[in-house]
Amino acid sequence: DTAVSQTPKYLVTQMGNDKSIKCEQNLGHDTMYWYKQDSKKFLKIMFSYNNKELIINETVPNRFSPKSPDKAHLNLHINSLELGDSAVYFCASSRGSNEKLFFGSGTQLSVL
Amino acid sequence: AQSVTQLGSHVSVSEGALVLLRCNYSSSVPPYLFWYVQYPNQGLQLLLKYTSAATLVKGINGFEAEFKKSETSFHLTKPSAHMSDAAEYFCAVSGGDYKLSFGAGTTVTVRA
Repeated sequence: DTAVSQTPKYLVTQMGNDKSIKCEQNLGHDTMYWYKQDSKKFLKIMFSYNNKELIINETVPNRFSPKSPDKAHLNLHINSLELGDSAVYFCASSRGSNEKLFFGSGTQLSVL
Repeated sequence: AQSVTQLGSHVSVSEGALVLLRCNYSSSVPPYLFWYVQYPNQGLQLLLKYTSAATLVKGINGFEAEFKKSETSFHLTKPSAHMSDAAEYFCAVSGGDYKLSFGAGTTVTVRA
């Protein structure tokens, strides 16, 4: 069983569209994250949820809206997609702060 | 605030040679330090983690790292490189605030 699974793996869309990426973890972790990896491989945290509560929101445009319906799921909705949103988005989970992160395999978003 | 700097964006080694990846950290609190590896088109996997229990940390796949507080360093080594070690390596630091800050990454290529 995959520990952290995210869908879709690839997402190609036009500028201005709205899209969602889903993430689920079966590890029983309390904390989930969204990271963005740009074309230079740089990884930056976007959001973190602990027990369904938002605890980190790192100066991300409000076009990005995370939603955590329960501890095992953290979805990312993006409105009005822009060219600069093209990147690989990784979902991750951990038992808590300072703990090892388990990453999903990533969603490659291409905005045309 | 915590941050890491990885020295060298690209390292090329011969198969069987020593692998040395450099990481320096900055932290206002006792840091938790990590090395992650990313294989092509995959998410990140933990290689090892420093938690202050021991300054020399052994990880998976024959890697180890040494924490040196006086030098604020956490360099990663492997005595003998294997072709399967070709990947992207990330150093990361956490200060207990759920924010894992990653370095810019080092690409390792292994020559036969």
